[in-house]
Amino acid sequence: GESVGLHLPTLSVQEGDNSIINCAYSNSASDYFIWYKQESGKGPQFIIDIRSNMDKRQGQRVTVLLNKTVKHLSLQIAATQPGDSAVYFCAEIHDNQGGKLIFGQGTELSVKP
Amino acid sequence: GAGVSQSPSNKVTEKGKDVELRCDPISGHTALYWYRQSLGQGLEFLIYFQGNSAPDKSGLPSDRFSAERTGGSVSTLTIQRTQQEDSAVYLCASSLGLAGENPYQETQYFGPGTRLLVL
Repeated sequence: GESVGLHLPTLSVQEGDNSIINCAYSNSASDYFIWYKQESGKGPQFIIDIRSNMDKRQGQRVTVLLNKTVKHLSLQIAATQPGDSAVYFCAEIHDNQGGKLIFGQGTELSVKP
Repeated sequence: GAGVSQSPSNKVTEKGKDVELRCDPISGHTALYWYRQSLGQGLEFLIYFQGNSAPDKSGLPSDRFSAERTGGSVSTLTIQRTQQEDSAVYLCASSLGLAGENPYQETQYFGPGTRLLVL
């Protein structure tokens, strides 16, 4: 079936280093991809998104890369800070499905001071 | 501006009781979504609304689950005869529009969730 999966369930990085969180998706028909950050006890917080007609999009300290050839999505966080510690979810959506986000299982990012 | 709000933030109930969970979307957002997050699991789609209509109810786990939206704003998710497996965080999100309409208006913004525990 359709799925969006994450390669690594946990990632530990040193403060100040760059972080890369990866995600594989199985449905090449997906049109839109989103990264969310979820801190303990809170709802998912939007980080950055990208449409399928792009391969890169940058925000503040974050970059999302989309490789449609291998159906791979990644989130890069520059100069990782302790406040970046959270679970990160990728999600996909199809334009013909209205609003049904399909989420991956999540990667827990731990930033060591 | 105000984000998505949900109430109650926590709910403890006994097996067999009915519960109602409320969601107030961001003002002006026409689309509203309900998801469920079980302990240690990802987010599972339940239902979404465009205005007051629910085009996709495919994620509702059973007929004990229902949802409605009135006035194109507030939504209520009702679980009847709760079971222990219903224990989870119920998350609501809203967006300006739907996927396939205007690009990037489909971005979903989430509320803090309602943590439901069924004893």
